[in-house]
Amino acid sequence: GAVVSQHPSWVICKSGTSVKIECRSLDFQATTMFWYRQFPKQSLMLMATSNEGSKATYEQGVEKDKFLINHASLTLSTLTVTSAHPEDSSFYICSAIGAVTGNSPLHFGNGTRLTVT
Amino acid sequence: AQSVTQPDIHITVSEGASLELRCNYSYGATPYLFWYVQSPGQGLQLLLKYFSGDTLVQGIKGFEAEFKRSQSSFNLRKPSVHWSDAAEYFCAVGARTGTASKLTFGTGTRLQVTL
Repeated sequence: GAVVSQHPSWVICKSGTSVKIECRSLDFQATTMFWYRQFPKQSLMLMATSNEGSKATYEQGVEKDKFLINHASLTLSTLTVTSAHPEDSSFYICSAIGAVTGNSPLHFGNGTRLTVT
Repeated sequence: AQSVTQPDIHITVSEGASLELRCNYSYGATPYLFWYVQSPGQGLQLLLKYFSGDTLVQGIKGFEAEFKRSQSSFNLRKPSVHWSDAAEYFCAVGARTGTASKLTFGTGTRLQVTL
């Protein structure tokens, strides 16, 4: 139980276009979802926290207008990278918590590798 | 602010040998502590967690970790490593506040297993 799914697993896009990444909780209601970014061979950096039905809370240094987060339902959060540039190429991972997981992100998606050409 | 240090960037062990991955944290009180494993190109899988109680925590895949308050450490151990354990291991700390779910990750330790 408590499965988190991300889609797509990888995406290649041209510079200047926008890309949407989905994070779904498959068998539980996710009150909160977290979006992380991971550069090659580096650790995960929290980008933002999204609560269902409210605006996301972004970490310091993360551009809100560049990384649009929507958490419109208890099972889906989306991250849209707008006007993507090569420096946005990275591995993006989400995690989700809900009543079934307690107050800690025990489950992560398998990540989305974004390559901007 | 909380922080996590994983001193070893890369560790190589022989299959069947014991393993210890180090993790030190900085936090004003007792935090929530986690170990995750990541295979190449994959997400993170939780190995084990410490919230309170017994300081020796058992996890999946034969892993265990011991919380030592005096040393601010949460080292991960496994008595006998299998080749399939080769992966990246991350230690993480979560604050015991309303934002307890926000994790700070260490930089990771890459484990290589030789046959």
